[in-house]
Amino acid sequence: EVQLAESGGGLIQPGGSLRLSCSVSGFTVSSNFMSWVRQAPGKGLEWVSGISSGGSTYYADSVKGRSTISSDNSKNILYFQLNSLRVEDTALYYCAGDGTNFLHWGQGALVTVSS
Amino acid sequence: DIHMTQSPSTLSASVGDRVAITCRASQSVTPWVAWYQQKPGKAPNLLIYKASSLAGGVPSRFSGSESGTEFTLTISSLQPDDFASYYCQQYSSFPLTFGGGTKVEIK
Repeated sequence: EVQLAESGGGLIQPGGSLRLSCSVSGFTVSSNFMSWVRQAPGKGLEWVSGISSGGSTYYADSVKGRSTISSDNSKNILYFQLNSLRVEDTALYYCAGDGTNFLHWGQGALVTVSS
Repeated sequence: DIHMTQSPSTLSASVGDRVAITCRASQSVTPWVAWYQQKPGKAPNLLIYKASSLAGGVPSRFSGSESGTEFTLTISSLQPDDFASYYCQQYSSFPLTFGGGTKVEIK
């Protein structure tokens, strides 16, 4: 059975940083395209970042330059680091895979940016 | 960036109705469009990929079609479990982009 489980969310002050983790079971992170997709409260879905099986990384303009997506292949975990947090980064962050259309999703990690 | 314009944003319908949701891409993305269903408090669920291919376990009342840069999700006979939000997504090029969503409500 495929399972994706995000962790690392919480309440963070503007200007701070976060590191989200997504622990995956049932398929291999390093063999698939993996993404982070976020959803602000009451709003639609926004893809923010992805990493290919070859290690190429992709970012939405909204997070480019202040974010890093990576994976630990030995642990089958996907990560997302976001710096210089803004109020508008408040959202439920989902990890999703495999491929560039998203068959598998986690339950989401809530990130709230507020002073 | 490729913009996906989804319509309508809200749709009121009754059980048994045939409903259609449309996404128009700002440039060619054929056939790389997916459709998702999302219920409140839950992660999205893949319904359709590659414009018209039904994802595993998805009921056959859901179908996808395309005409140029316009993509349509059709539910042939709306069921109580189908009242939810729906999103299109293009995966032709980066950044991957979603439509704004359609909320299907009970009439």
